Amino acid sequence: EIVLTQSPVTLSLSPGERATLSCRASQSVSSQVAWFQQKPGQAPRLLVYDASTRATGIPARFSGSGSGADFTLTISSLEPEDFAVYYCQHRGSRFTFGQGTKLEI
Amino acid sequence: QVQLLESGGGVVQPGRSLRLSCKASGFTLSSYSIHWVRQAPGKGLEWVAVISYDGSNEYYGDSVRGRFTISRDNSENTVYLQMNTLTAEDTAVYYCARGIFDLWGQGTLVTVSS
Repeated sequence: EIVLTQSPVTLSLSPGERATLSCRASQSVSSQVAWFQQKPGQAPRLLVYDASTRATGIPARFSGSGSGADFTLTISSLEPEDFAVYYCQHRGSRFTFGQGTKLEI
Repeated sequence: QVQLLESGGGVVQPGRSLRLSCKASGFTLSSYSIHWVRQAPGKGLEWVAVISYDGSNEYYGDSVRGRFTISRDNSENTVYLQMNTLTAEDTAVYYCARGIFDLWGQGTLVTVSS
């Protein structure tokens, strides 16, 4: 079973700063990684799939990169609405989520 | 309006069963695989199950395999999750999601408690 480890667990930044979130897989997963944003009381929202493809309607400040076992979600300049929990996910015959990174002010 | 709407959650005693529904509107359900994902209170996301667009394939997470069954009725635009032998560890908000997880429902809360 593939395990995804996200770091850091909590990231404290300010609006306008750059955020870099990491996701490491226990073995190579090619580019089969997605990223989600979740705000309190809401369902998750798909941001990026296939490691680097932005989902429909997602602002350009969100970008995904990586392949193999190491992946990164970058938010180039934080907006107030970006403070939330972020999850990475591997897509295979099973679908595994990382434990999440809380992005806080 | 393109949306997924879950229903069927509630309070159930340990060892009992519950069936959740996920009804699609505004798009052709039969074109998409559908997932169930759950989130225990204050915890992260856990993938539960997926069913292929035509119902020919199903896959389950380790923690529910053998107890939960996913099914679909494309004529009713609905996907189901039959949950048997429930335990306190199954307490969570259950979400359904479409295909590449690009569309999610609002979730339905299942509480397993005596």
